[in-house]
Amino acid sequence: KAGVTQTPRYLIKTRGQQVTLSCSPISGHRSVSWYQQTPGQGLQFLFEYFSETQRNKGNFPGRFSGRQFSNSRSEMNVSTLELGDSALYLCASSQGGLAGVTGELFFGEGSRLTVL
Amino acid sequence: GNSVTQMEGPVTLSEEAFLTINCTYTATGYPSLFWYVQYPGEGLQLLLKATKADDKGSNKGFEATYRKETTSFHLEKGSVQVSDSAVYFCALSDRNTDKLIFGTGTRLQVFP
Repeated sequence: KAGVTQTPRYLIKTRGQQVTLSCSPISGHRSVSWYQQTPGQGLQFLFEYFSETQRNKGNFPGRFSGRQFSNSRSEMNVSTLELGDSALYLCASSQGGLAGVTGELFFGEGSRLTVL
Repeated sequence: GNSVTQMEGPVTLSEEAFLTINCTYTATGYPSLFWYVQYPGEGLQLLLKATKADDKGSNKGFEATYRKETTSFHLEKGSVQVSDSAVYFCALSDRNTDKLIFGTGTRLQVFP
C-alpha cells in the first residue's frame, strides 16, 4: 500500500512569490491535514480537509490556503512568500472521522521550502 | 487551550542506556495521548498511544503510561540503540476540534 506522497520534496523561492504544494494521501483515506514544521516552533497545524471541505483551521494568515479534490488529493498554496515561511511542510492523511481520537495520522516525508 | 510540553533536547545517550523523555499536557476532558517519532529525512510515524487514564502504550521496546493525576505521558526505553536516534513528539487529541496538538519535539542522539 503506497504511503502519503508529497511533491515537490525541495523547492527554493524568493520573497513575494507564491508556491503550491501537493499531497496524495493513502488510498481510501479521506482526511488530509497540513502542518508547518520549523526548528523554533515545532509542528504547527495549518488546516485539515475532509471530503473536499475544510474541517479545521489553525492560526495562520490568509496567505496560506488549501483545497482538496474529489480523489482526496490536496494542495496547499502560500502567496506573497516571506522569509519566515521557510519550513518543512508536512501532509498527513487518515481514514477520516475522528482522527483526533485515534491519533493515527500517516505522514508524508514533507516538502522543504526555502524562501530567499 | 490544550497544550503539550516536552523536555528540551537534545538528549544524548550511549547505546544501552535508559531513556526517559518527559511530556506533560494541559487539556479539558479526557484526551488520548500519543508519541510520534521522526527519523532523519522522514515524516512522522505513530510510535504508541494510550486512550484513557492508566493505559500503557508500548511498541519497539518503548513504553509510556497515561497518568491523569500528574497529567503526564513520559516516554521510556530500557536500552536504547543507535537506530533510535530521531526526534520524538508527544501529542494529544483535542476531541472537540478533532485535531492533534503536538509538542515541540525532543531530539535523541544515541552514540555507540
